[in-house]
Amino acid sequence: DGGITQSPKYLFRKEGQNVTLSCEQNLNHDAMYWYRQDPGQGLRLIYYSQIVNDFQKGDIAEGYSVSREKKESFPLTVTSAQKNPTAFYLCASSEREATNEKLFFGSGTQLSVL
Amino acid sequence: RKEVEQDPGPFNVPEGATVAFNCTYSNSASQSFFWYRQDCRKEPKLLMSVYSSGNEDGRFTAQLNRASQYISLLIRDSKLSDSATYLCVVNSYSGSARQLTFGSGTQLTVLP
Repeated sequence: DGGITQSPKYLFRKEGQNVTLSCEQNLNHDAMYWYRQDPGQGLRLIYYSQIVNDFQKGDIAEGYSVSREKKESFPLTVTSAQKNPTAFYLCASSEREATNEKLFFGSGTQLSVL
Repeated sequence: RKEVEQDPGPFNVPEGATVAFNCTYSNSASQSFFWYRQDCRKEPKLLMSVYSSGNEDGRFTAQLNRASQYISLLIRDSKLSDSATYLCVVNSYSGSARQLTFGSGTQLTVLP
């Protein structure tokens, strides 16, 4: 079945540690996205990529980094510079030029600070 | 002013009731509009797109008012399984890039 797989489901970070969240899709979508969701709030865009080897900062990119070496994969690293990383992280993908940009989401990663 | 605003609720309604949510957006050049449903600690899932002429999918009706810059979602004959958070999503261009902006969601609880 086609879809997006995020891992791990739960992740704990120690102070000063970098952690990487995995996102893989087999939908052959060009565009991939990372969102952060805090309790009672909407999704905020961290980074997005429209094509392999290219990515753009979203609204809240500080303290995060990404790579897009393969079409299927868009990992997100939460660096030690992100001082408030506890949140629910969602990866999504879409067809690049879809008129109605329907997003397909992974099941999310809950990141907590120890 | 937020780009996309929703009444956070919560809306607590009895089973079988009709409930309506509104969402306002600030960018008059917005291109397309959606309602997503999100269950607690789960990923959002597309409920329906919102078309200019209004559209219906079973018990759900979505409407768009470009002049007043709002969209609405009407749920008729509410079921217990409709309990969730409903996210309003607006698609607009920022420079050459298409950008989706999410509202903070409206929480619905359908009571037996």
